[in-house]
Amino acid sequence: DAKTTQPNSMESNEEEPVHLPCNHSTISGTDYIHWYRQLPSQGPEYVIHGLTSNVNNRMASLAIAEDRKSSTLILHRATLRDAAVYYCILRDPHDAGGTSYGKLTFGQGTILTVHP
Amino acid sequence: NAGVMQNPRHLVRRRGQEARLRCSPMKGHSHVYWYRQLPEEGLKFMVYLQKENIIDESGMPKERFSAEFPKEGPSILRIQQVVRGDSAAYFCASSPDRYGYTFGSGTRLTVV
Repeated sequence: DAKTTQPNSMESNEEEPVHLPCNHSTISGTDYIHWYRQLPSQGPEYVIHGLTSNVNNRMASLAIAEDRKSSTLILHRATLRDAAVYYCILRDPHDAGGTSYGKLTFGQGTILTVHP
Repeated sequence: NAGVMQNPRHLVRRRGQEARLRCSPMKGHSHVYWYRQLPEEGLKFMVYLQKENIIDESGMPKERFSAEFPKEGPSILRIQQVVRGDSAAYFCASSPDRYGYTFGSGTRLTVV
């Protein structure tokens, strides 16, 4: 899986938007961009994923740069329950038969702190 | 539909004992993955199993660790002769295919 770079930590105030950046300059054409988050004492939770176009779901939006070398996870109105570690992960679902297809490669992620 | 169930949530073992961690995947999911998270570190892949088969164990330590996913029953991660360095959170995830993941809440192993 290609490498991603995220800031170690970010802070936000409750009810304000949060933009979490991720750089992936070595992304390949078939890599999907996935975001997971891990709340304290919980397992990771799927947030959103995309390939080229921006994506929206009930949890967040994903903005993907035109050259796909970076992306931004957008939480439109942060709540205290959004405080977590956010992971940006690249996955190629069509690998050439290698063993990478089954696993996620987690980096250090971004620790998001939300202030009341 | 219950999520991925892991038990126990917390497990304390003395050095040299065996630890057995269980993971019941979501209904209909035949793919199971185990990850380990050491204190203050990120999650690391350990092993990927389908029913009765180990597909990828490239992240498993060479000794003392084993995993199985029998035809019936939960997946088991077994750690023999535990040492303090095995203290970590162990997470299981399941999926109906290679791609979608649902994680359990983890088992926190403490070796004393």
